[in-house]
Formats: sequence, C-alpha cells, structure tokens
Amino acid sequence: GDSVTQMEGPVTLSEEAFLTINCTYTATGYPSLFWYVQYPGEGLQLLLKATKADDKGSNKGFEATYRKETTSFHLEKGSVQVSDSAVYFCVTGTASKLTFGTGTRLQVTL
Amino acid sequence: DTEVTQTPKHLVMGMTNKKSLKCEQHMGHRAMYWYKQKAKKPPELMFVYSYEKLSINESVPSRFSPECPNSSLLNLHLHALQPEDSALYLCASSQPSAVRERDYGYTFGSGTRLTVV
Repeated sequence: GDSVTQMEGPVTLSEEAFLTINCTYTATGYPSLFWYVQYPGEGLQLLLKATKADDKGSNKGFEATYRKETTSFHLEKGSVQVSDSAVYFCVTGTASKLTFGTGTRLQVTL
Repeated sequence: DTEVTQTPKHLVMGMTNKKSLKCEQHMGHRAMYWYKQKAKKPPELMFVYSYEKLSINESVPSRFSPECPNSSLLNLHLHALQPEDSALYLCASSQPSAVRERDYGYTFGSGTRLTVV
C-alpha cells in the first residue's frame, strides 16, 4: 500500500528562520500530494497541494514541489512566524483514500 | 459554501449512552469520510461513502455505525463505546476523480472531540 515518511519532530525554530520539512512517499498509482496543517485543538486545514509532477503548491509563504523522480514533496518557508506553530502532515491522495505521514510538530519561538 | 460543518464540537458520553455525530457539506461533493484521530497521531480512516453508499469500512467495531441519509449529510452513531474510543473524530468530503482528475478537493471539518467516561 501507499506510505508517507516525514521527518521526525518536534522542529523548533526562531522567528524568521528558514523552514524545511522533508517528505517522501511510496505509491502504487499517481497520487495528488498535499500538506495539511493542524493548529492546537483544531481540525485539519489544507495548506497546499500539487496534482502532477513538477507542480508547485504554495500558500501563506509555504511552498512544496511535486518531485516524481525522487518521490518527494518537501515543505519550505523562507521566514516562519510564531503563528506557524502547528503540526504539519504530508499526505498522498487518490480518488478514495488519503495516506498520512506521522506529522511534524513545528514550534516557533520569539 | 466551502466548508464541512461538524456538530457537536465536544461530546462527553458514558459507556452505556447512545449518541450521534453529524457532518454536513454543501459543496456538491459525492464522497464523504469519517476519520479518527488520537492525540499526537495522524488521522485514521474509518469509513468512506461514495454516492451515498458505503464503499470502505476499515474493520471498525460495530459500536460505530455510519449513516449517509443524503449527499450532503453524514452521521456516525455511537453505542456502548469504551474509554479508548476517546478521540477527535473528523469528517471530510471530496469530489470523486471521475469529475476532476486527481484534484480531489478533500475538505475536512473541525472535528468532534469525544470523551468516553
């Protein structure tokens, strides 16, 4: 079956630091790729997505590029804010199923 | 309307109670899902409804009973739960691939936080 591997957390950064959260996947088909964010005590919000190879998803300063040759979808942000503190999930998706990574907790401090 | 609405937001129930979780969307999505999320874990798929028919049951115990009365509503009926069933229950919806190739548009609700006492 499909699987998603993302870097272990927690990741602790100072405000305005550069963020990278690595994500690699295995899939039997040609999935779409997503990053979801979960703020404390809340549900999941779609952060960005990419539906085909070389697509770049972006939102709120976050970016990730669908790399089919390396089966990766790394999340980056040039300058994090305290308000970015949350859990980030890398996810593959097909018509009927999402496969989640284990989540990476990001803590941004002043 | 681009939201999935779940009610209630919080629920405390005893092990002998019967309760229901509700989920509603008006985006025209024809696939709806129930997920269970334990603390510090990713969501786990429980059920999938596609065009109002149950298409996936991930070997969920029968004390959880899903229902899809129409294309906009999804319920999860709870009976005789155990304390270990305490979790965040998330509803999601999406558009099947036949309509939009690979752009499934999964949307999640904010969840119901369930505590079984």
